[in-house]
Amino acid sequence: GAVVSQHPSRVICKSGTSVKIECRSLDFQATTMFWYRQFPKKSLMLMATSNEGSKATYEQGVEKDKFLINHASLTLSTLTVTSAHPEDSSFYICSARGTGGYTFGSGTRLTVV
Amino acid sequence: GENVEQHPSTLSVQEGDSAVIKCTYSDSASNYFPWYKQELGKRPQLIIDIRSNVGEKKDQRIAVTLNKTAKHFSLHITETQPEDSAVYFCAAPLSPSGYNKLIFGAGTRLAVHP
Repeated sequence: GAVVSQHPSRVICKSGTSVKIECRSLDFQATTMFWYRQFPKKSLMLMATSNEGSKATYEQGVEKDKFLINHASLTLSTLTVTSAHPEDSSFYICSARGTGGYTFGSGTRLTVV
Repeated sequence: GENVEQHPSTLSVQEGDSAVIKCTYSDSASNYFPWYKQELGKRPQLIIDIRSNVGEKKDQRIAVTLNKTAKHFSLHITETQPEDSAVYFCAAPLSPSGYNKLIFGAGTRLAVHP
């Protein structure tokens, strides 16, 4: 079945630094990928829709200059959290839509110290 | 606006009882309705889904019903077991731009007591 690989699984960074998270569709092409953020005991909140070869579409309230999304190929989307702050600490998870439905990456737990 | 509402937020049942979780959605164009089970720190796991051309789908102890007119769908778990304890999310795709972005409900924390 469709597989989405997400790396890293967990990362700790210092305040003010940037962190890049990768999301790859391993056995299918994904022209569209989705990035979610999940705080403890909360639901998955859609941050943005990543479109191959064009600009990402951000949800209301999500800062596009802080959460940079690049979808340079049909199998890779990246999310860069720039100038990270402790409040950015969260579980970030990507998803890609294939013929069988939506496939999720394993998530990235980001801790900003 | 775009919305998927889910109830209840918590549900506690005795082992062997049934559990029902309900969701409503706002976009009448939505045509795919998945249910996910999520364990702590893990990705959501698809447990069952239904498309808009059917009203009910069953897979062993799990079933999903869909009422397109009322724009609501429900998850039914029968003969619950302690290992069913988890957080369950409903979702529906919203397509204002043709991207069919998946919007999640708030989640239901199910506890099955032995």
